[in-house]
Amino acid sequence: AQSVTQLDSHVSVSEGTPVLLRCNYSSSYSPSLFWYVQHPNKGLQLLLKYTSAATLVKGINGFEAEFKKSETSFHLTKPSAHMSDAAEYFCVVTLQTGANNLFFGTGTRLTVIP
Amino acid sequence: NAGVTQTPKFRILKIGQSMTLQCTQDMNHNYMYWYRQDPGMGLKLIYYSVGAGITDKGEVPNGYNVSRSTTEDFPLRLELAAPSQTSVYFCASTLRPETNYGYTFGSGTRLTVV
Repeated sequence: AQSVTQLDSHVSVSEGTPVLLRCNYSSSYSPSLFWYVQHPNKGLQLLLKYTSAATLVKGINGFEAEFKKSETSFHLTKPSAHMSDAAEYFCVVTLQTGANNLFFGTGTRLTVIP
Repeated sequence: NAGVTQTPKFRILKIGQSMTLQCTQDMNHNYMYWYRQDPGMGLKLIYYSVGAGITDKGEVPNGYNVSRSTTEDFPLRLELAAPSQTSVYFCASTLRPETNYGYTFGSGTRLTVV
């Protein structure tokens, strides 16, 4: 079975401090993993994706994530938070086969304090 | 701009009314999806389609219907609106789900049933 657990429903950081959004997954297959960001009243935008190549994945806006198979984790980080990073973040796992293969975490709301 | 277009962006329905949420993509993607997003939850799949003329149920199909007469369009129909259908609805598409291609999401339709 496949599932995604986002360990924090809400994370609050000060502007200029590091961001850590945690994601653990469970998959019977070799997964592909994504992070999506959703700004208020907007659709979901792809931040980055793990494609079974490099375990450290760099995305847009200075975000990166590291795939750790031994820990079944795919945590999202950013060295320095910006006000514009305030949004909802979704960790998503997808199977390698099948049309119905996206599994979403419940989301982490990031608040950035000025 | 290429992408997934959803209309309307906002709608208020009375209980028992019907409406169609429109979704169009111009990327020639075969695979299209309808999700709903409830507060504090991840996205849940309502229906999906693997190509024109082919649709299938997702996790929460009750109260909804879909059709796929063309590659570009994938409308979602609510026949008898109920308060439980108050949600934000997202349409998504992808070229091939079994690769790491990623999904493109529309900006959403915020529906309130009163």
